[in-house]
Amino acid sequence: DVKVTQSSRYLVKRTGEKVFLECVQDMDHENMFWYRQDPGLGLRLIYFSYDVKMKEKGDIPEGYSVSREKKERFSLILESASTNQTSMYLCASSLDRVGTGELFFGEGSRLTVL
Amino acid sequence: KQEVTQIPAALSVPEGENLVLNCSFTDSAIYNLQWFRQDPGKGLTSLLLIQSSQREQTSGRLNASLDKSSGRSTLYIAASQPGDSATYLCAVRAGGGNKLTFGTGTQLKVEL
Repeated sequence: DVKVTQSSRYLVKRTGEKVFLECVQDMDHENMFWYRQDPGLGLRLIYFSYDVKMKEKGDIPEGYSVSREKKERFSLILESASTNQTSMYLCASSLDRVGTGELFFGEGSRLTVL
Repeated sequence: KQEVTQIPAALSVPEGENLVLNCSFTDSAIYNLQWFRQDPGKGLTSLLLIQSSQREQTSGRLNASLDKSSGRSTLYIAASQPGDSATYLCAVRAGGGNKLTFGTGTQLKVEL
């Protein structure tokens, strides 16, 4: 079975802290994505990666960075967390670079910034 | 810019009913369309993926259709059960291949 694992389900951080959200997939997928989901705004793409060490900005990259040092792992970094980054963060992966493949999501990481 | 709309936003039906969820998109030049379900506080679970060359896909009690020319997809759920209660989202992949545009979802409640 396809598996996308997000290491933290719930996090509470303080304003200004550096936050790491980790995502691992075990399907040898090329593409990995980070979304955030907010009531009334739906899912918005933050960053995606189509290969190791490759990354592209999504629709809302400001305040975030990413790292993909290994094919199976894609990390989202909040350099200095702010209250408006309180959200549900969802990691996803898909098999092929062309982008016609099925998208699989992790369970989500609920981040609260105080 | 692609826009995806799901109507209705919420739906409540008695157990056993067959139901249809709607998804419409503005740009018909899509690679594929995917249906997901999301339980409260959880991630998205993939239900069905329809490629642009396909008209429909079936999985168990679920059937999804795609009409690219009219910019519409439907998700048909047969013999609904309380366990089907969730939010259902559709997403289209178009232009550039890697970017999906999501609808805002239909919240379904199946009552005993």
